[in-house]
Amino acid sequence: GQQLNQSPQSMFIQEGEDVSMNCTSSSIFNTWLWYKQDPGEGPVLLIALYKAGELTSNGRLTAQFGITRKDSFLNISASIPSDVGIYFCAGLRTGTASKLTFGTGTRLQVTL
Amino acid sequence: NAGVTQTPKFQVLKTGQSMTLQCAQDMNHNSMYWYRQDPGMGLRLIYYSASEGTTDKGEVPNGYNVSRLNKREFSLRLESAAPSQTSVYFCASSDIFGTAVQFFGPGTRLTVL
Repeated sequence: GQQLNQSPQSMFIQEGEDVSMNCTSSSIFNTWLWYKQDPGEGPVLLIALYKAGELTSNGRLTAQFGITRKDSFLNISASIPSDVGIYFCAGLRTGTASKLTFGTGTRLQVTL
Repeated sequence: NAGVTQTPKFQVLKTGQSMTLQCAQDMNHNSMYWYRQDPGMGLRLIYYSASEGTTDKGEVPNGYNVSRLNKREFSLRLESAAPSQTSVYFCASSDIFGTAVQFFGPGTRLTVL
């Protein structure tokens, strides 16, 4: 089955740094979602995007729905230790009966 | 509201044993899903139920069965567990007429020896 290409796979950053990650596909999506998964927990929604070009923020997080509708980006500003976890993108295509396609995840680790 | 709840949280089985993973949601959502998560593989859809009374196969349905007991509950059954089914299983729910956002439970960590 198709999965979204998410990069980077993992990253180590220092506290206070900004983080960027992205999700790409060869298919067009009409919804992009970004989730965070803490160790031992289920994914939790961070940001939802519904329109090409849309830029949405949630605190220190900002996500964008790519103009081509084949990609999405997530930025975290001024990272803190609680940002540690795995970030997943997910996309919804027309005609897929609400079935999301997930990326393979970006594992973020923050050093003090 | 508890959101999506799953039981049990942890389970160890021997090869060939059977078990049922339980999932319930209290958000009045129409659609429910079962995923498995393996290292480096992200989330893969096993089965889903678009609405009460319907179920459909996802990406990796072999070795599993599901039951949509009512609008709140969606169970996943392993009839004869195999080591390849060692994984973390997540249940999720969404409002099919809404935003496409899926809400996830805390997961069941299953080990098959």
